[in-house]
Amino acid sequence: DQQVKQNSPSLSVQEGRISILNCDYTNSMFDYFLWYKKYPAEGPTFLISISSIKDKNEDGRFTVFLNKSAKHLSLHIVPSQPGDSAVYFCAASEGNTPLVFGKGTRLSVIA
Amino acid sequence: GAGVSQSPSNKVTEKGKDVELRCDPISGHTALYWYRQSLGQGLEFLIYFQGNSAPDKSGLPSDRFSAERTGGSVSTLTIQRTQQEDSAVYLCASSAGTGITGELFFGEGSRLTVL
Repeated sequence: DQQVKQNSPSLSVQEGRISILNCDYTNSMFDYFLWYKKYPAEGPTFLISISSIKDKNEDGRFTVFLNKSAKHLSLHIVPSQPGDSAVYFCAASEGNTPLVFGKGTRLSVIA
Repeated sequence: GAGVSQSPSNKVTEKGKDVELRCDPISGHTALYWYRQSLGQGLEFLIYFQGNSAPDKSGLPSDRFSAERTGGSVSTLTIQRTQQEDSAVYLCASSAGTGITGELFFGEGSRLTVL
């Protein structure tokens, strides 16, 4: 039973446009959410996070939105760049429990 | 080193053999995690070490899997009597915080192929 779901395995976006990656979760006790980015043959790297007490966190071109009532979060990348092409993992945790990851979404930014 | 180091980067073994995967975390990081990523799957939590506390082994899929962390630093993940379904990329991560809500720093992973 997947607690963190990324229902889109892949997404293609034109360079300069907005990329929106979605993530749904089932555990209402999750209180911290993170996005990781992974290039081939490399380990995932932390991108951005959000606490459950917030509904938005912004860092440069990256913004994460959290809708607790819908148990949904999204990552917006604008403008998208070819270097953003990677697999993006959504992750969540409840207190001090281990991070639970989704299956990832492969983003392709087309020049 | 500057980052989390894992070895070997690739391991091909025959079904039934034992394998050991090594992780060298970032110096000073008290927390160490093992995850694995099977083909088409997300990152699956295996085990977590925090300082001198007893490890959280709740993610280990069977008793063929074990891990230890010596001296609060290097960790070894051992898989006994490997099976084909053990084929995956095994990822180690470390973090500086005492809680898990902090940022994890991942190594490049050890790709295990069981023939």
